[in-house]
Amino acid sequence: QVQLVQSGAEVKKPGASVKVSCKASGYTFTSYYMHWVRQAPGQGLEWMGIINPSGGSTSYAQKFQGRVTMTRDTSTSTVYMELSSLRSEDTAVYYCAAGLRGMAADAFDIWGQGTMVTVSS
Amino acid sequence: EIVMTQSPATLSVSPGERATLSCRASQSVSSNLAWYQQKPGQAPRLLIYGASTRATGIPARFSGSGSGTDFTLTISSLEPEDFAVYYCQQCDTSPWTFGQGTKVEIK
Repeated sequence: QVQLVQSGAEVKKPGASVKVSCKASGYTFTSYYMHWVRQAPGQGLEWMGIINPSGGSTSYAQKFQGRVTMTRDTSTSTVYMELSSLRSEDTAVYYCAAGLRGMAADAFDIWGQGTMVTVSS
Repeated sequence: EIVMTQSPATLSVSPGERATLSCRASQSVSSNLAWYQQKPGQAPRLLIYGASTRATGIPARFSGSGSGTDFTLTISSLEPEDFAVYYCQQCDTSPWTFGQGTKVEIK
């Protein structure tokens, strides 16, 4: 079945970087855009950016420009989200998500299970 | 960026009753509006896209309406499994933004 499986929880120190993976299965990896969304403890959902798995082009929310990098590996159907210069406010669950209509501007039909990233000294 | 505002923040409803949730966009998003349900410890689940189209496997008791700036999610008769937090999201203009959520709790 169509699914996204993310890497496990991470604990990082302030100033470090974290790289979260999201492996897609059950569909043609290059057919659907992949988004990253995060959710701080007890808070709402925040969109971080989008990657086109076909060509690798990206677009990031202004808030994360300069700190986030999204990449993909078509040989393993995996997308990656790396966030640098971590601070305590980056403590959150990070989700990958994809719409299944083949458009960038699309709702998110499928979600990964989430990866908890904790930033603490 | 487009700001999404949901109301109310919390809705107390009895099982079997109707729930009506509202979402307002700071500028027109046409029909590019989605609704999600999220339960504790789980990823969000897509309910509605295109303002009114139910996603695959979503029960008919969930319906969406609206266009432009004002949208509504209606749950016609609440089941025990429907008590959760609901988010709207505009999919019209980057950055794709979410509302702050409406918690539907048992009255």
